[in-house]
Amino acid sequence: GDSVTQMEGPVTLSEEAFLTINCTYTATGYPSLFWYVQYPGEGLQLLLKATKADDKGSNKGFEATYRKETTSFHLEKGSVQVSDSAVYFCALKIPPKLVFGQGTRLTINP
Amino acid sequence: DAGVIQSPRHEVTEMGQEVTLRCKPISGHDYLFWYRQTMMRGLELLIYFNNNVPIDDSGMPEDRFSAKMPNASFSTLKIQPSEPRDSAVYFCASSGWTGGPKFYGYTFGSGTRLTVV
Repeated sequence: GDSVTQMEGPVTLSEEAFLTINCTYTATGYPSLFWYVQYPGEGLQLLLKATKADDKGSNKGFEATYRKETTSFHLEKGSVQVSDSAVYFCALKIPPKLVFGQGTRLTINP
Repeated sequence: DAGVIQSPRHEVTEMGQEVTLRCKPISGHDYLFWYRQTMMRGLELLIYFNNNVPIDDSGMPEDRFSAKMPNASFSTLKIQPSEPRDSAVYFCASSGWTGGPKFYGYTFGSGTRLTVV
């Protein structure tokens, strides 16, 4: 069935480090792909999205490129901040549902 | 719009008691989803509605769980009787056409943290 596999966490980095969180998916067809972020005590918020192959989603310095050939949608940021500490979820859309990965907890130390 | 509104934010109850979680979706959204989040299982889709009609409840763990959507602006998730293993954060989300013709937006509420003791 359709599924999303995320890099296991937790991930701890120092401020200004480079971030990569890996995400791969299994799906029939070409689903839309998403990254959601969950800050402590809050619900999930859409971070970025891509709707077709080779699309790059970007927001708040984060980027992810829809790679059909490797069925991947890795999240990257060039220089993380303490305020980026949160749980990050990769998801694919099988309309009308979203299928989520397990989530990756990211902690950024000053 | 105030977004998806869930209540209560926190609920502590004793094993065996009935628990009712509430959700108000975004006005105009035609889909409503209930998710459960635990450390062990991540985010699980329990049930979803389209235009107030339950479409897929295959994620509901047991008969102790039930969900209703009596109108477009209100949904409940009920657990009766509750058990300690039901302790989790329960999220409601709604979706509908937003931000242009091709993006079907998805908005989550802040969740209800349920603790069954």
